Amino acid sequence: GIQVEQSPPDLILQEGANSTLRCNFSDSVNNLQWFHQNPWGQLINLFYIPSGTKQNGRLSATTVATERYSLLYISSSQTTDSGVYFCAGGAGTASKLTFGTGTRLQVTL
Amino acid sequence: AAGVIQSPRHLIKEKRETATLKCYPIPRHDTVYWYQQGPGQDPQFLISFYEKMQSDKGSIPDRFSAQQFSDYHSELNMSSLELGDSALYFCASSLAGTDEQYFGPGTRLTVT
Repeated sequence: GIQVEQSPPDLILQEGANSTLRCNFSDSVNNLQWFHQNPWGQLINLFYIPSGTKQNGRLSATTVATERYSLLYISSSQTTDSGVYFCAGGAGTASKLTFGTGTRLQVTL
Repeated sequence: AAGVIQSPRHLIKEKRETATLKCYPIPRHDTVYWYQQGPGQDPQFLISFYEKMQSDKGSIPDRFSAQQFSDYHSELNMSSLELGDSALYFCASSLAGTDEQYFGPGTRLTVT
């Protein structure tokens, strides 16, 4: 099956700083999603981005499908951005998602 | 916009008891997925259904079973519960012909 690697595993930022999270896939995927898991455990959909670039407010994501990686950019970080960020990928139509091990982000004042 | 609904949100059971988790997908979504997330781990795929038929199966214990009903809601039945079954259980849904999965808020199961 697909292997998903995320880096860095942990990240501590001061409020206002920018960061880049990376996700590498062992094989081609046609579904790639980024999630934020908040301290209450909820998985929040951030992006569905099998290829290309998308932006939503202070967050943006880029996927280079040919090189099997995706990047999540967080700009002007806020304490509410704290939590775990997961990327997940799937191959085939309506296929299961394989999650990475996540990046645990802590934003401090 | 309507989201995926899961019930109950929290459940406490004792070892060897049975639990039933319910999932109501987004209206018109016909594919349902179940994931299990243990403490400090990433979500792991359990099972999925498309049009009431099982479409894929992951590392789901034989003690667990699931089905999708005619109204597309799904239930995950867990028997002979073990301490290691304590986890967050997520349901996700998608629309046929699309890949994006939308996750519910999860059910936190604690087995004592």
